[in-house]
Amino acid sequence: EVQLVESGGGLIQPGESLRLSCAASGFIVRNNYMTWVRQAPGEGLEWVSILYAGGSTFYADSVKGRFTISRDNSKNTVYLQMNRLRVEDTAVYYCARGSKDYGEDWGQGTLVTVSS
Amino acid sequence: SYVLTQPPSVSVAPGKTANISCGGNHIGTKSVHWYQQKPGQAPVLVIYYDTDRPSGIPERFSGSNSGNTATLTISRVEAGDEADYSCQVWDTITDHWVFGGGTKLTVL
Repeated sequence: EVQLVESGGGLIQPGESLRLSCAASGFIVRNNYMTWVRQAPGEGLEWVSILYAGGSTFYADSVKGRFTISRDNSKNTVYLQMNRLRVEDTAVYYCARGSKDYGEDWGQGTLVTVSS
Repeated sequence: SYVLTQPPSVSVAPGKTANISCGGNHIGTKSVHWYQQKPGQAPVLVIYYDTDRPSGIPERFSGSNSGNTATLTISRVEAGDEADYSCQVWDTITDHWVFGGGTKLTVL
């Protein structure tokens, strides 16, 4: 059974950094496309970043240069390193597994609140 | 950047058919995917590649895509179908995903 468990969210001040984790089970992360999607309170879904099985990475313009997606094959885990956080980065962050086109399986999300 | 437009809300009586639209420039040339999201829960993929259904999704859910509009159709709507529905495409030019703003389906 595929399972994705996000962690690492919390309350943080603007300008600080946070690393989110997405622990996967039931499949091998390095053989899949892994994506982060976020949802601000009361808003719609917003794509953040994707990590291809081959290692290529892509980012939304709103986070490019501040966020970094990566994986640890030994831990079967995907990460999202978030630097220089802004108030507008406040959201529930979801990890998803799927293809380069869409997310087939999703975690339950972790809440990041950026506030002074 | 590519933009997807959805109506904010759609209402339907139980047992009737709900049609949720997703507009985009020449969206018929792209593959459209649909997600269902209930309050406090993660998104669930209900349609991928315009018309395909993941295992476990009822046949009542179907999709179509042509011209400038993609449509998610839910037949014989049930109270449990009440949720937010979002369309999504992969923009081949930027390698980015694009989501529509989401449509809240209300079952009367």
